Amino acid sequence: AQKITQTQPGMFVQEKEAVTLDCTYDTSDPSYGLFWYKQPSSGEMIFLIYQGSYDQQNATEGRYSLNFQKARKSANLVISASQLGDSAMYFCAMREGWSGYSTLTFGKGTMLLVSP
Amino acid sequence: GAVVSQHPSWVICKSGTSVKIECRSLDFQATTMFWYRQFPKQSLMLMATSNEGSKATYEQGVEKDKFLINHASLTLSTLTVTSAHPEDSSFYICSARFAEEQFFGPGTRLTVL
Repeated sequence: AQKITQTQPGMFVQEKEAVTLDCTYDTSDPSYGLFWYKQPSSGEMIFLIYQGSYDQQNATEGRYSLNFQKARKSANLVISASQLGDSAMYFCAMREGWSGYSTLTFGKGTMLLVSP
Repeated sequence: GAVVSQHPSWVICKSGTSVKIECRSLDFQATTMFWYRQFPKQSLMLMATSNEGSKATYEQGVEKDKFLINHASLTLSTLTVTSAHPEDSSFYICSARFAEEQFFGPGTRLTVL
């Protein structure tokens, strides 16, 4: 079974509107972390936001917020007030456990296109 | 945030040659570094986990003798693609762990002719 599932291969949004990128995960480890990264066409991976499994509140970072629904095992990324520069590939990722050897597992990604 | 550099940013080589890619954490010490490969329009696939002073741990299906990883210091890890072939052409990304975050290098685009 896939550990990280991103069901939206592509999403379109108009500038200044909000958009939600879906992510569901699968783990039996009670300790895990969920991450969102942005990858523009240049290829660099840009860290956006992090949510720990024990965090009580949803994480927020500027225009990014993470809608964490633990019982449903979902960690959707919400981008408010989209900008043209938000057009990129977005990856959801999970790290299980807290050891130094824990690795990130990535979803297949969602391509977001922001139109004027 | 912490900075991870990679060198070179792109390389073109002939089939059969070896290519070395360097990954450095510039402003922090990373006990663990990771190497990923990304084919066009696909996700990042972990190749190996590298710890300073010990042998790398390779993911299933990744050839240890083909992709040599050396983590000589807390700030440097290298990936050598030996006897590269066209099917090794890909985008290689390194990453370094610092506390709970994982920082990525800008990637190296390898094209094997």
